[in-house]
Amino acid sequence: GAGVSQSPRYKVAKRGQDVALRCDPISGHVSLFWYQQALGQGPEFLTYFQNEAQLDKSGLPSDRFFAERPEGSVSTLKIQRTQQEDSAVYLCASSLDRGTDTQYFGPGTRLTVL
Amino acid sequence: SQQGEEDPQALSIQEGENATMNCSYKTSINNLQWYRQNSGRGLVHLILIRSNEREKHSGRLRVTLDTSKKSSSLLITASRAADTASYFCAPSEGSGTYKYIFGTGTRLKVLA
Repeated sequence: GAGVSQSPRYKVAKRGQDVALRCDPISGHVSLFWYQQALGQGPEFLTYFQNEAQLDKSGLPSDRFFAERPEGSVSTLKIQRTQQEDSAVYLCASSLDRGTDTQYFGPGTRLTVL
Repeated sequence: SQQGEEDPQALSIQEGENATMNCSYKTSINNLQWYRQNSGRGLVHLILIRSNEREKHSGRLRVTLDTSKKSSSLLITASRAADTASYFCAPSEGSGTYKYIFGTGTRLKVLA
């Protein structure tokens, strides 16, 4: 594809609801990353996939956060029992080969938990 | 822990002037990336500079890297109102790693 796409672009959830955020990386990109960006801050690393393997999930803030990339392409970030502190922009990025290559970011999903 | 720290936090200049933003980090890196983010938008990749490189150019952008001082700078020449955005540096966390650690960014405002 032309770039990384994410859906939905905006999501409003009531506290306690589960949400699922989708990321479509650039076609052929092996590596995929999820970041969380709070207002006025830089992105913070959440998790990293190489193909379908989740090699690093050290940045996931709690066990309510779960990410998957079952076929090595599209990825989903799921947040269970959302809390107000989960409100942020969730960014997805992909890179061509190794994770040390340039990372290209999607537009993000802005999650607001009421 | 490793983190890109940008300086200044905010910068306001007139159109046509040059803008310089600095980034410092703490440990050795594999490479360092610079990104731009317009308000409410995703991050746009500007330049990736590797640890064995000292300078890279892309259009009106010039990035330098001084590994001995653990610092990098981004120079935007002949700035335009459209350059108004937040700029982030992201050094890799250590050598040979995929993890990039972003700072809080420099908010650049270019006045027409």
